Amino acid sequence: KAGVTQTPRYLIKTRGQQVTLSCSPISGHRSVSWYQQTPGQGLQFLFEYFSETQRNKGNFPGRFSGRQFSNSRSEMNVSTLELGDSALYLCASSLSGASTDTQYFGPGTRLTVL
Amino acid sequence: GENVEQHPSTLSVQEGDSAVIKCTYSDSASNYFPWYKQELGKRPQLIIDIRSNVGEKKDQRIAVTLNKTAKHFSLHITETQPEDSAVYFCAAKQSAGGTSYGKLTFGQGTILTVHP
Repeated sequence: KAGVTQTPRYLIKTRGQQVTLSCSPISGHRSVSWYQQTPGQGLQFLFEYFSETQRNKGNFPGRFSGRQFSNSRSEMNVSTLELGDSALYLCASSLSGASTDTQYFGPGTRLTVL
Repeated sequence: GENVEQHPSTLSVQEGDSAVIKCTYSDSASNYFPWYKQELGKRPQLIIDIRSNVGEKKDQRIAVTLNKTAKHFSLHITETQPEDSAVYFCAAKQSAGGTSYGKLTFGQGTILTVHP
């Protein structure tokens, strides 16, 4: 099976712009979770989608949003970008997001905000 | 919410030695504990996981132990090799229901360096 894929792999934006990142899960996986990885804060949970519904959300401002499509592909959007949003954004897919489901990570999108 | 503490933050060993990384968690409802290895510029890769109904799990040179009473779990790597050099993350996940779906809470990571 093909692994989790993310596009684009690299993005450079300026403050105030918005950005959309895409994640395609492993075939058959219906849960997609998003994480932000920075040197200072480590890996932090953003949100999780299952069957096109957000089931869980981390402690991020409303500028961070996401959605999931009927084919389980997911997008996240960050509006009004700030310098502090520069990070590696990782998505992870699992079968159902249940407590003991393994999460498989994509390669990430490296976002740089200038 | 859940909080995961990971120690040490850096670990340097000689090839062939053992390496141990320890994590503690705060929420007794957590029941799934994966360990991920992340090489520079690459995605986190699951190397081993353990569920709360098991005390120990082993896969070749890698083992994980879980002490539910003390709320801590550890990664043990034996006969380390230079290719084991990477950042290792522990994580915890609560049992399903309510707001726990899909959320892994990660430790801060351990940079492991194995010297040839």
